[in-house]
Amino acid sequence: AQSVTQLDSQVPVFEEAPVELRCNYSSSVSVYLFWYVQYPNQGLQLLLKYLSGSTLVKGINGFEAEFNKSQTSFHLRKPSVHISDTAEYFCAVSDGSGNTGKLIFGQGTTLQVKP
Amino acid sequence: KAGVTQTPRYLIKTRGQQVTLSCSPISGHRSVSWYQQTPGQGLQFLFEYFSETQRNKGNFPGRFSGRQFSNSRSEMNVSTLELGDSALYLCASSLSSGPSYEQYFGPGTRLTVT
Repeated sequence: AQSVTQLDSQVPVFEEAPVELRCNYSSSVSVYLFWYVQYPNQGLQLLLKYLSGSTLVKGINGFEAEFNKSQTSFHLRKPSVHISDTAEYFCAVSDGSGNTGKLIFGQGTTLQVKP
Repeated sequence: KAGVTQTPRYLIKTRGQQVTLSCSPISGHRSVSWYQQTPGQGLQFLFEYFSETQRNKGNFPGRFSGRQFSNSRSEMNVSTLELGDSALYLCASSLSSGPSYEQYFGPGTRLTVT
C-alpha cells in the first residue's frame, strides 16, 4: 500500500528566510505526487502536483518541489517565506496505475513564519 | 464559478445518533471524494463516487456510507455515532475520476460527538 511520510511535524522559520518541507513516499511503479496547504478553518488548496515530465515542479505562491525517484522524495521549497505562508502543509500521493482519485496524505507539517 | 460547498459547517451530535453531511461539487464536476481529518489519524480517505457509483472505499466501518445523486451532489451518512467520529469531514470534487484530475476541496463540516 502507498504511504507518505512528512519528516517534520513543525517547521519554524523567520520571515524572508528560505524553507524546505520534506516528504518521502513509498515506492510504486507509477505515482502522482501533490502538495496541499490548509489555512485555519478552511479546506485544502492545491499548491502543486507532479504527474510526469520535468522533475522540478512550480506551483502557486512561489512554491516549488522536486521529484526525486531514486530517493522517493518530493520536498517542497520556497526561497523567501511571508507571514501569510503560516499554515499546515500536506504531501499526498495517488496511485497512477489506478483509475481513482484516492489520495494518501502525510501527517502534515505546520509551517510557522515568525516576524 | 462557485466552489465546493458543504453543509452544515458545524454539527454537534450525541453518541448513538446518526448524521448526514452534504456536499455540492463545482458545476460540471462528476467525481466526489470524502475524507476524514482528525488530529490523531490525520487525513484519511473515506470513499469516492463517480456518476452515482462508488469507485473506491477506504478502511472505515460499515457505519460510514455515502451516495451520489444524478446532479453529482453527494451525501455521507454516519450511523450509531461514536466519540471517535468527531472530526472535520472534507469533500473534494473533480471533473472526472482519476489521479490526473485536480481535486478541489470544500471548507469541511466539523462534527462533534458528545
